[in-house]
Amino acid sequence: QVQVVESGGGLVKPGGSLRLSCTASGFTFGDYYMSWIRQAPGKGLEWVSYISTTGTYKYDADSVKGRFTISRDNANKSLYLQMNSLRAEDTAVYYCARCKFPGIADIWGQGTLVTVSS
Amino acid sequence: DIQMTQSPSSLSASVGDRLTITCRASQSIRNYLVWYRQKPGKIPELLIHAASTLESGVPSRFSGSGSGTDFTLTISSLQPEDVATYYCQNYYSGLPLAFGGGTKVEIK
Repeated sequence: QVQVVESGGGLVKPGGSLRLSCTASGFTFGDYYMSWIRQAPGKGLEWVSYISTTGTYKYDADSVKGRFTISRDNANKSLYLQMNSLRAEDTAVYYCARCKFPGIADIWGQGTLVTVSS
Repeated sequence: DIQMTQSPSSLSASVGDRLTITCRASQSIRNYLVWYRQKPGKIPELLIHAASTLESGVPSRFSGSGSGTDFTLTISSLQPEDVATYYCQNYYSGLPLAFGGGTKVEIK
């Protein structure tokens, strides 16, 4: 079964850090770009980052540049998002997604909630 | 920056109705556009890529068209299971990835 499963969400204070993880199964992880997409409570979708198959190329939304870092470990079929200097506006469900093409998310995880609040 | 503008933001229609949702890009994205559906309380699903290519398993009542800056998603005969919010999104290389604001579809 093709799936991705996120973990690592939680409550963090403004200015704090959090690391999200995503584990893939059912497909050849190293063959696909991977991404993080978020959705604030009751709001629409927002691309956060994506990473190429080897990790050579990364895309980051302007809203997270310099604060968030996407990375991957192909041997362990895992994707990560290191989030630093978190702000209240980063509060959202963070989805890990496989990309069938850069910028097209075809397999989504169930999401992990990140809440930034004092 | 690129802006993706969807209209309407919400609509209510009867089962069997034909629906059209529009998505306008603030600059040309050729046909680098996808549509997603997000049912209430569920994760998004990819419906269409390259503006008009249906993903495997997507019912044929869904269709997409357009190129450049203007795109449409059409549901030829609305079904109860189509209640959802629909999002367009560009993926044109060199431009920021942007979603439209979403169109919420409800049944009358």
